Amino acid sequence: GESVGLHLPTLSVQEGDNSIINCAYSNSASDYFIWYKQESGKGPQFIIDIRSNMDKRQGQRVTVLLNKTVKHLSLQIAATQPGDSAVYFCAENRRGADGLTFGKGTHLIIQP
Amino acid sequence: EADIYQTPRYLVIGTGKKITLECSQTMGHDKMYWYQQDPGMELHLIHYSYGVNSTEKGDLSSESTVSRIRTEHFPLTLESARPSHTSQYLCASSKLAGGNNEQFFGPGTRLTVL
Repeated sequence: GESVGLHLPTLSVQEGDNSIINCAYSNSASDYFIWYKQESGKGPQFIIDIRSNMDKRQGQRVTVLLNKTVKHLSLQIAATQPGDSAVYFCAENRRGADGLTFGKGTHLIIQP
Repeated sequence: EADIYQTPRYLVIGTGKKITLECSQTMGHDKMYWYQQDPGMELHLIHYSYGVNSTEKGDLSSESTVSRIRTEHFPLTLESARPSHTSQYLCASSKLAGGNNEQFFGPGTRLTVL
């Protein structure tokens, strides 16, 4: 079935390195995508979003890339810090849908 | 920090009990949502609301019910809790304009039914 998914359940990176978290989606009707960060015991927190008419969007230390040709979304975190340790979810809004569809999440682990 | 609150944060109850999970937001958002999330897994939409007196079922079937009597309040009720209801329940809200709006999440209620 159609879904939003992430390639890796766990990603381990060295502190100070850049992190890249990937997400694949299959619904071409999706027109809006969000990356959320969820720390243990907390609700998801908005990181960055991107609309389908864009390829790239940058925030503070984060960049989201959207490749509509291969239906791929990625989140890049520059100079990863211990506070970046969390589960990262991509979510899509399918045109006409009433809520977000979430992927399974990638647990980002920061090695000292 | 989002101005959306959930109580209780943790709840352990016995089978057959009626429970209500509270959710309130002070952002004046029209749309509110309930998601269910098992540990380490994705979120599934179980209920949403466009505004006062509006309630809709989400993608995942749930035995819970919701009500929206006030804009800021969107409680979720389970009439008779069962162990299969054990999960984390997350409330969220967003502006009404279209679907392309950030959803703000509360901290969640972790429910355990014995």
